Amino acid sequence: GAVVSQHPSWVICKSGTSVKIECRSLDFQATTMFWYRQFPKQSLMLMATSNEGSKATYEQGVEKDKFLINHASLTLSTLTVTSAHPEDSSFYICSARAGGRFGANQPQHFGDGTRLSIL
Amino acid sequence: DAKTTQPNSMESNEEEPVHLPCNHSTISGTDYIHWYRQLPSQGPEYVIHGLTSNVNNRMASLAIAEDRKSSTLILHRATLRDAAVYYCILRGDTGGFKTIFGAGTRLFVKA
Repeated sequence: GAVVSQHPSWVICKSGTSVKIECRSLDFQATTMFWYRQFPKQSLMLMATSNEGSKATYEQGVEKDKFLINHASLTLSTLTVTSAHPEDSSFYICSARAGGRFGANQPQHFGDGTRLSIL
Repeated sequence: DAKTTQPNSMESNEEEPVHLPCNHSTISGTDYIHWYRQLPSQGPEYVIHGLTSNVNNRMASLAIAEDRKSSTLILHRATLRDAAVYYCILRGDTGGFKTIFGAGTRLFVKA
């Protein structure tokens, strides 16, 4: 089946560091990619949606200068957490789907997540 | 956004069928009903989706009410590996075609 690969699986770094997370769709062209974050014992919260070649659309309350998203190709999206602080520690999950900008009829496939810990 | 309502948790015995309900009384005609599940410390996994007709795949079955205001995910024989949080999500033009997660149903499977 479709596979979304997310790297790295976990990161521990010092406060003030910028961290880049990669998300790749391995066997399909991901027209649209999504980034979520999840705190312990909570559900996933959508951070932003990106379409290949376009600027990402951020959800309300998500700082676009803090969480930089690049979707340069149909198989790769990156999330960079800039100048990370302890409150940015979370489980970040990417997701991808094929089928055009709307794609209500398309399954969405998820990476295994990146656990980010900022000391 | 079109909302869904699911029980917080359910319990099942191994090898028995499980029926996970979802209410979506404000569903619009163009909304698809999607189900995902999340095992501990993993990203969500696609399970099944449908629009109006019942759907079957190797993982589960999806039964959609005639008025589309509710649906049921059916796991035919629960295994310990099916213990997860199950999310029922509507995706269509009323939600901006985004997959927005609610609280889901935590399924416990007893051996």
